[in-house]
Amino acid sequence: AQSVSQHNHHVILSEAASLELGCNYSYGGTVNLFWYVQYPGQHLQLLLKYFSGDPLVKGIKGFEAEFIKSKFSFNLRKPSVQWSDTAEYFCAVSLRSNTGKLIFGQGTTLQVKP
Amino acid sequence: SQTIHQWPATLVQPVGSPLSLECTVEGTSNPNLYWYRQAAGRGLQLLFYSVGIGQISSEVPQNLSASRPQDRQFILSSKKLLLSDSGFYLCAWSPQGQGISGANVLTFGAGSRLTVL
Repeated sequence: AQSVSQHNHHVILSEAASLELGCNYSYGGTVNLFWYVQYPGQHLQLLLKYFSGDPLVKGIKGFEAEFIKSKFSFNLRKPSVQWSDTAEYFCAVSLRSNTGKLIFGQGTTLQVKP
Repeated sequence: SQTIHQWPATLVQPVGSPLSLECTVEGTSNPNLYWYRQAAGRGLQLLFYSVGIGQISSEVPQNLSASRPQDRQFILSSKKLLLSDSGFYLCAWSPQGQGISGANVLTFGAGSRLTVL
């Protein structure tokens, strides 16, 4: 069965530090990859997505993620975090099918200290 | 533009009571619909999804059921709640027909927090 694993459950950083959140998935077929973010008190929203093409994708608010097919990974990065990046981050995978269902990782809570 | 509504936003129910959470989508037709449960430290677990009226797929065995009586309405139900049903339930939708091309993006509702006592 497909699964998504996020390595870090709780990350604490100071402002201006660099961020990398790990995400690995298990599935041998063609997948779509996503990072979603949930800011405190807000809806879950899409941060960035990868469908095909350039494996380095850029999202909103300066985030980017790199798809490394050989490692089944889709790590999220940001060079310099801000206090407003405090949120919960979810990696997700979907198969190329007409159901579009997403399988999510456990989530990583990021706390940025001002 | 499309919007998704969930209600109630919060619900406190006794063990053994029934449950009905409702989700509706506006501004689109024939969407894929999903129910997820979010538990602390466990991420989002897909419970049910639907690609059309009356078509429900269950992802995990549980005490819950889902129905889609209308194109843009998705209901999560239980006849008798258990303590373990407590959690945050999220409804989501995605456009039909994009999955094969790989363009499916889910849009989530605000969620319904259920506490079973």
